[in-house]
Amino acid sequence: KQEVTQIPAALSVPEGENLVLNCSFTDSAIYNLQWFRQDPGKGLTSLLLIQSSQREQTSGRLNASLDKSSGRSTLYIAASQPGDSATYLCAVLDSNYQLIWGAGTKLIIKP
Amino acid sequence: DTGVSQNPRHKITKRGQNVTFRCDPISEHNRLYWYRQTLGQGPEFLTYFQNEAQLEKSRLLSDRFSAERPKGSFSTLEIQRTEQGDSAMYLCASSLSSLSETQYFGPGTRLLVL
Repeated sequence: KQEVTQIPAALSVPEGENLVLNCSFTDSAIYNLQWFRQDPGKGLTSLLLIQSSQREQTSGRLNASLDKSSGRSTLYIAASQPGDSATYLCAVLDSNYQLIWGAGTKLIIKP
Repeated sequence: DTGVSQNPRHKITKRGQNVTFRCDPISEHNRLYWYRQTLGQGPEFLTYFQNEAQLEKSRLLSDRFSAERPKGSFSTLEIQRTEQGDSAMYLCASSLSSLSETQYFGPGTRLLVL
């Protein structure tokens, strides 16, 4: 059974710092991995999608990497801003074409 | 706004009552998904539709839950005889026909069962 874990559960850093969020999954048989952002009481916004054949994707200040063999992904946020404060979730599309989610990392960027 | 919309945004009900939620996907999207999310957790898959056909249902979807997508456009999720454990955020998402496409999420319906 695929399980997705995100560490840390919460993170608070000063504005301007670069930071890394971690996601691990137990079964490497995935079609893709996605990083989402969720603001309090809101739905989810897709940030980056990495296909299983890819190693990384970049969008603006965000860079996501995927190491399928080791079951790990990282989301790198450069020059963090208070507006980046949110919960970040990763999800893998498993062999049954279902999204399996981590519990998220709650990020607070202090001005 | 051409994104996924959900109504109502909030619902408070008493235990034992029935509730129905609606999801309007992005217009050209063939696939529609329902998820449930409790506080501090990631979403859990409930069911999904390809056009009007319901193709998969999670074991989480008990007999009290039913979902429809009668014309392959909007979808409804009904919960009968609600229980306090049904309290959660119910999220709807849609995607193009490919299973590996990005899913676009609505704002969710937050249900509180008293």
